[in-house]
Amino acid sequence: KQEVTQIPAALSVPEGENLVLNCSFTDSAIYNLQWFRQDPGKGLTSLLLIQSSQREQTSGRLNASLDKSSGRSTLYIAASQPGDSATYLCAVPRGFNKFYFGSGTKLNVKP
Amino acid sequence: GAVVSQHPSWVICKSGTSVKIECRSLDFQATTMFWYRQFPKQSLMLMATSNEGSKATYEQGVEKDKFLINHASLTLSTLTVTSAHPEDSSFYICSADLGTGVSPLHFGNGTRLTVT
Repeated sequence: KQEVTQIPAALSVPEGENLVLNCSFTDSAIYNLQWFRQDPGKGLTSLLLIQSSQREQTSGRLNASLDKSSGRSTLYIAASQPGDSATYLCAVPRGFNKFYFGSGTKLNVKP
Repeated sequence: GAVVSQHPSWVICKSGTSVKIECRSLDFQATTMFWYRQFPKQSLMLMATSNEGSKATYEQGVEKDKFLINHASLTLSTLTVTSAHPEDSSFYICSADLGTGVSPLHFGNGTRLTVT
């Protein structure tokens, strides 16, 4: 069974800092990996989707990398803002459109 | 863009009663929807796959008689928690299959269920 782990569980940084969130998975036979954002009491918003053939994806201040062989992915957030405060989840497929989720990293960006 | 609407956003019920949660695809037809559960400080766990016009597929350890799923139309799936108990208190989220061949990018906003 696939296990997805995220570290750290929580992170608090001052505004403007660059930061890295980590995700690891035990079964490297994945065809993609997604990063999601979850605001308190809300659903999920997809941030980035990396196909297994890609090494990274970028969207604005976000950059996600994928190293299948080592079972790792990172989400890099540049110049963090208070509006980035949320829980960030990584997920790998467990069949068509179904996912295994990590437990998330709760980010707090202080003004 | 495609939107998934979930209702209610929160509900409080007494132990022993049943609660129905709705998941609607607003501007697309969803042949498949997925129901997840999230306990505090834990990850989302897939409960079941809801298939339009057929029985839902439940994940191991999820009681199908307790969590009734109905997907009677291409835009609506419902999850009914029957005879709810305090341990059923959780955050329930649905997602919809857009049928485009890529992973769904749209989840509902979730339902916070509290059983007293």
